[in-house]
Amino acid sequence: AQKVTQAQTEISVVEKEDVTLDCVYETRDTTYHLFWYKQPPSGELVFLIRRNSFDEQNEISGRYSWNFQKSTSSFNFTITASQVVDSAVYFCALRKDSGYSTLTFGKGTMLLVSP
Amino acid sequence: NAGVTQTPKFRILKIGQSMTLQCTQDMNHNYMYWYRQDPGMGLKLIYYSVGAGITDKGEVPNGYNVSRSTTEDFPLRLELAAPSQTSVYFCASTLTGGGSDTQYFGPGTRLTVL
Repeated sequence: AQKVTQAQTEISVVEKEDVTLDCVYETRDTTYHLFWYKQPPSGELVFLIRRNSFDEQNEISGRYSWNFQKSTSSFNFTITASQVVDSAVYFCALRKDSGYSTLTFGKGTMLLVSP
Repeated sequence: NAGVTQTPKFRILKIGQSMTLQCTQDMNHNYMYWYRQDPGMGLKLIYYSVGAGITDKGEVPNGYNVSRSTTEDFPLRLELAAPSQTSVYFCASTLTGGGSDTQYFGPGTRLTVL
């Protein structure tokens, strides 16, 4: 069975602070895919990034960066110089590679960025 | 290009009433999904479809039904609404069922059953 754990329920920071959202996953599969989604107060789910298990390169996209470490089964997400518009719930999700598979979501981390 | 659209955005039902949540995608995706999101929780899969005429149960299918008569549409039916079905419902789609394929979500339907 697959499982995604986001231990941080809620994080509060002040604008311009850096913040890291943790994601730990469990799977027996050797090939799998990890995702991050953002859910702003308006409620929609916005796709942010996908990483494949065979590609452990970390990625930076503007103020966002992702640290994928297979050895610790973690896929952490860092926002540099946070902004009020970053306030949202962030979900980490896992998907098998073999055949048809659906997403297994973590419970989400609510990030509140204050001015 | 609208992507995945859902109607209605909000709905209040009385216990025992029925309703259909509509979902349409214009990306010619084969796979479609229905999830529910309860407060403080991640999303749980209700039903999914791998193509027109083919549907299957997800993790929490009880109390729901689906149909897929066309590639574009994947309606979710609640027959006898119960307070436990108060939730936010998301529809999603992917081109294929492969693990690397990104799921694109609709804006959600917020349902309250009183």
